[in-house]
Amino acid sequence: GNSVTQMEGPVTLSEEAFLTINCTYTATGYPSLFWYVQYPGEGLQLLLKATKADDKGSNKGFEATYRKETTSFHLEKGSVQVSDSAVYFCALGRTGGFKTIFGAGTRLFVKA
Amino acid sequence: KAGVTQTPRYLIKTRGQQVTLSCSPISGHRSVSWYQQTPGQGLQFLFEYFSETQRNKGNFPGRFSGRQFSNSRSEMNVSTLELGDSALYLCASSFLPDRGDTGELFFGEGSRLTVL
Repeated sequence: GNSVTQMEGPVTLSEEAFLTINCTYTATGYPSLFWYVQYPGEGLQLLLKATKADDKGSNKGFEATYRKETTSFHLEKGSVQVSDSAVYFCALGRTGGFKTIFGAGTRLFVKA
Repeated sequence: KAGVTQTPRYLIKTRGQQVTLSCSPISGHRSVSWYQQTPGQGLQFLFEYFSETQRNKGNFPGRFSGRQFSNSRSEMNVSTLELGDSALYLCASSFLPDRGDTGELFFGEGSRLTVL
């Protein structure tokens, strides 16, 4: 079945460090891939998305590239800030079944 | 444009009671999905509605039910509450893309249910 696997957290980084959060997926067809972010006390919000192979999604300095050959969608940021502290969810959409499938989430802590 | 609105934001119930949660989607969005978020299980899909029809349901017992009204507002109900139902319940709406499946989801802030 369709599934998403992302690296376990928490991830703790110092400000200005490089961030990578790994995400791999299993899916049939041509899914869309998403990264959502959840700040404390809030719901999820879309961070970036990619709808086909080799697409790169980007937003707020975050990037992720849809790699069909490795079934991956890793999230990267060159220089994290304290305000990036949140939980990040990789997600799989448009797999049929009218639902989005989420990874377990990775909590990021950024220290000043 | 107003976002997704969920009410109530917080509630406390006791075992055996029932609860109804409400979700108003973004204007023009006709698809509404519900998710349960817990520390141990992450985000679990409950159900999705479009034009008052449930199109998919997650692996939850029959105590969990939902509905959607003609104005796209949605409610979910949990009957005979158990301690394990304590969670953040998130509603998300979506503007249907051309392929008819859910694309980008817009989430509300959630309803945090505590069962004592």
